[in-house]
Amino acid sequence: GIQVEQSPPDLILQEGANSTLRCNFSDSVNNLQWFHQNPWGQLINLFYIPSGTKQNGRLSATTVATERYSLLYISSSQTTDSGVYFCAVEGGNYQLIWGAGTKLIIKP
Amino acid sequence: DAMVIQNPRYQVTQFGKPVTLSCSQTLNHNVMYWYQQKSSQAPKLLFHYYDKDFNNEADTPDNFQSRRPNTSFCFLDIRSPGLGDAAMYLCATSRGVGLGDTQYFGPGTRLTVL
Repeated sequence: GIQVEQSPPDLILQEGANSTLRCNFSDSVNNLQWFHQNPWGQLINLFYIPSGTKQNGRLSATTVATERYSLLYISSSQTTDSGVYFCAVEGGNYQLIWGAGTKLIIKP
Repeated sequence: DAMVIQNPRYQVTQFGKPVTLSCSQTLNHNVMYWYQQKSSQAPKLLFHYYDKDFNNEADTPDNFQSRRPNTSFCFLDIRSPGLGDAAMYLCATSRGVGLGDTQYFGPGTRLTVL
């Protein structure tokens, strides 16, 4: 089955810093999503991005499908950006296959 | 404004005592999912309903059951909780299971088993 790897596993930054999170996947995918889980457990879908680039405020994502990776950029980090960022791709039976996540801590 | 609602937010049960977790949605989505998430891990899909069609993951223990009496509500029943079932349980919905169908998650129910 498809393997999804995220890096780095942990990231600690000062408020205002920029960051790049990476997601590698082992096979072609038609669906790739980025999620943010806040420290209270709420999961929010950030981007549906099987290819190309999208931006939403301080967040943007780029997926290079031919090279099997996706990047999530966070600019001017705020403490509310803290949490775990998951990348998930669609498996053959439409189920999501999740990466292990990147835990981001933004210090004030 | 809440679109996917889970009750209760925190549930404490005793070893072996059945427990039911509730999920409701105002999105009128066709698909409802139940995930189990243990500390520092990604969510693990237990099962999902597409309308009334139930789809169980192959490795979901028989101890976990689900009911969907109507479009809006879905329940997770744990018949005999063990200590290993302590986790966050997340409900999610999506319009369909095709390409581009985003999943919307509830706030979760954190289950403690004593």
